[in-house]
Amino acid sequence: EVQLAESGGGLVQPGGSLRLSCAASGFTFNTYWMHWVRQAPGEGLVWVSHINPDGSSTNYADSVKGRFTISRDNAKNALYLQMNNLRADDTAVYYCASVAHSYSWYDYWGRGTLVTVSS
Amino acid sequence: DIVMTQSPDSLAVSLGERATINCKSSQTVLYRSNKKNYLAWYQQKPGQPPKVLIYWASTRESGVPDRFSGSGSGTDFTLTISSLQAEDVAVYYCQQYYSTPFTFGQGTKLEI
Repeated sequence: EVQLAESGGGLVQPGGSLRLSCAASGFTFNTYWMHWVRQAPGEGLVWVSHINPDGSSTNYADSVKGRFTISRDNAKNALYLQMNNLRADDTAVYYCASVAHSYSWYDYWGRGTLVTVSS
Repeated sequence: DIVMTQSPDSLAVSLGERATINCKSSQTVLYRSNKKNYLAWYQQKPGQPPKVLIYWASTRESGVPDRFSGSGSGTDFTLTISSLQAEDVAVYYCQQYYSTPFTFGQGTKLEI
């Protein structure tokens, strides 16, 4: 059974940092593109970042570029999102999601982890 | 970026009736070389992550009931639920994977 499990969310002050993790199992993690997608409370889905299977290529939404860093450890079947200089508008549920090919739909999603940025 | 626009924003349909949700992209998501539309539909129930229903605009994901169907090509797409069931209450999103960044419609809230 495919599982994606996010962790690391919580309450952080503006300007603070958090590191999200996503533990993957049940599929060949090192062949999949992995994405982070976020959803602000009561709002829609917004792509944040993605990374290719071997970790050599990454991309970011303009809103997080220079503040967030995506990475992966294929030996541990793990995906990460380092979030620095957090702002109130980063408050959201963050989902990790898998994509089988570079241009393909999101086939699996984790249950998400809530990040709240507030003083 | 490709902008995805859904209509309506919300929809109330009686049990057993048809529900239709539209999605329009700001540019084509039809890749000419393989004639595939890079368009997916997702269902999101409260407190849950999204779940893919349809990909390539009209291919139903394994296990998805056949009352769900997708149609359209180029820039205009439709998700149809042929006979609404109580468990179909959710927010539905279209998403293009034709180009990065992948983008979603704003969502359509479906109620009974």
